[in-house]
Amino acid sequence: QKEVEQNSGPLSVPEGAIASLNCTYSDRGSQSFFWYRQYSGKSPELIMFIYSNGDKEDGRFTAQLNKASQYVSLLIRDSQPSDSATYLCAVNIVGGNQFYFGTGTSLTVIP
Amino acid sequence: DGGITQSPKYLFRKEGQNVTLSCEQNLNHDAMYWYRQDPGQGLRLIYYSQIVNDFQKGDIAEGYSVSREKKESFPLTVTSAQKNPTAFYLCASSPTPLGLAGVRYEQYFGPGTRLTVT
Repeated sequence: QKEVEQNSGPLSVPEGAIASLNCTYSDRGSQSFFWYRQYSGKSPELIMFIYSNGDKEDGRFTAQLNKASQYVSLLIRDSQPSDSATYLCAVNIVGGNQFYFGTGTSLTVIP
Repeated sequence: DGGITQSPKYLFRKEGQNVTLSCEQNLNHDAMYWYRQDPGQGLRLIYYSQIVNDFQKGDIAEGYSVSREKKESFPLTVTSAQKNPTAFYLCASSPTPLGLAGVRYEQYFGPGTRLTVT
């Protein structure tokens, strides 16, 4: 069973703060890692992907990958109320045809 | 305007009826996927298709059927055999099938269809 674990939250941060979302995965064959944002009642939207160890930055978002620790995180700097959503972590394994999703972390940014 | 479309947005059916959910993409993506999402759970894969006229079962295929007669279309039928069909159904696509050695591609989602069966 390939598992992706996320803290379901809810996570609350004040506006302007850094939000840190974490994800662990069980399969060491995992090679591709994705973060999706899902607003209530809407479909997931891809916001970040990372394939190599280290940090990847895109605007206010930074994805961090540590394959040795089987850990991927998403940092949101200068959090805005519009960032309030559920964030889904997904992984794909080497040779696999599927994405495996966590259950998501609910983030609320308080004005 | 490129993207993935799903119709209808909301669907209501009586128990015992089959229902077909539409998914169309004009992104020229090879691979298409169907997921279901239930409250408090992650996305679960129902079926996926890597090429036209070929598809594979995902983790929860029982009670569902699909076809892939055209590259841009991947309809899902929820049959009366599906015991708990009420859910949010999501169609996704990616440029190439996942899992090819050395190839990494992202997956994009359509807007979803919310099915309620009573």
